Amino acid sequence: ETGVTQTPRHLVMGMTNKKSLKCEQHLGHNAMYWYKQSAKKPLELMFVYSLEERVENNSVPSRFSPECPNSSHLFLHLHTLQPEDSALYLCASSPGPAGGPDTQYFGPGTRLTVL
Amino acid sequence: AQKITQTQPGMFVQEKEAVTLDCTYDTSDPSYGLFWYKQPSSGEMIFLIYQGSYDQQNATEGRYSLNFQKARKSANLVISASQLGDSAMYFCAMREGRNTGNQFYFGTGTSLTVIP
Repeated sequence: ETGVTQTPRHLVMGMTNKKSLKCEQHLGHNAMYWYKQSAKKPLELMFVYSLEERVENNSVPSRFSPECPNSSHLFLHLHTLQPEDSALYLCASSPGPAGGPDTQYFGPGTRLTVL
Repeated sequence: AQKITQTQPGMFVQEKEAVTLDCTYDTSDPSYGLFWYKQPSSGEMIFLIYQGSYDQQNATEGRYSLNFQKARKSANLVISASQLGDSAMYFCAMREGRNTGNQFYFGTGTSLTVIP
C-alpha cells in the first residue's frame, strides 16, 4: 500500500462546478505539496505546507484553494476552473524540518478533466 | 535558464542491457540535492535515488546508480540489467538549500522503453 493516497483518481468537471481533491499521507511526514503535471511540461509546484502552515504559493490562480487541516491531510478545492486546468494533480509529502535529504514521496495523482 | 535539463525525450534499451539517462543542472547554491523519479503509465512518481551535493561517493540503490560529476553539473542515472518493468518516464529533480519547502525543480523527463 502506498504511503500517500489521493482521491479521486479521476475527475471530470464542468467550468461552473466546485470539487475538492484529497490527499492523505501515512508516513508521519510534516510537509505536504501539490503539483500540477501537464503534458510536455515539467512538474509545477503549486503549494507547500510545512507543519500545517503554507510556506509556498507559486502564483497559483485563486480558483485553486488549498487546505491543510493537519499534517496527514491536504485538500485542493477547485472552483470555476478553465479547460487549461486539465492535468494530473500530484500530491507529495516529505519528512520536513528534520534535516536529511527531505525526499518527497508522491501519491498516484488525480487526473482532472475540465469540460 | 532551466534548472534541470534532460536532453533525451525518448530512449530505447534492450532487456538486460544497461542504460544511462542524462541530467544536467544549474545552481549557484553550494548545498543542493539531486533526485531521480520513475513515473509509470499509472501516474505515480516513484522515488529512485538521491545524491547530496556534499556526498563524496556516487549514490547506488540496487540496479540504480547515479553518476555524479559535480564540476560538470551532471547527475546521470544508470540502470543496469534493464527489465521490461523499467519502461516508464524518468524525471531528474533538484532541491536547492536544505529548508523544507525549498522548491523541487523537475526536468521534462525521459521516456524509457525496454525492448524484449
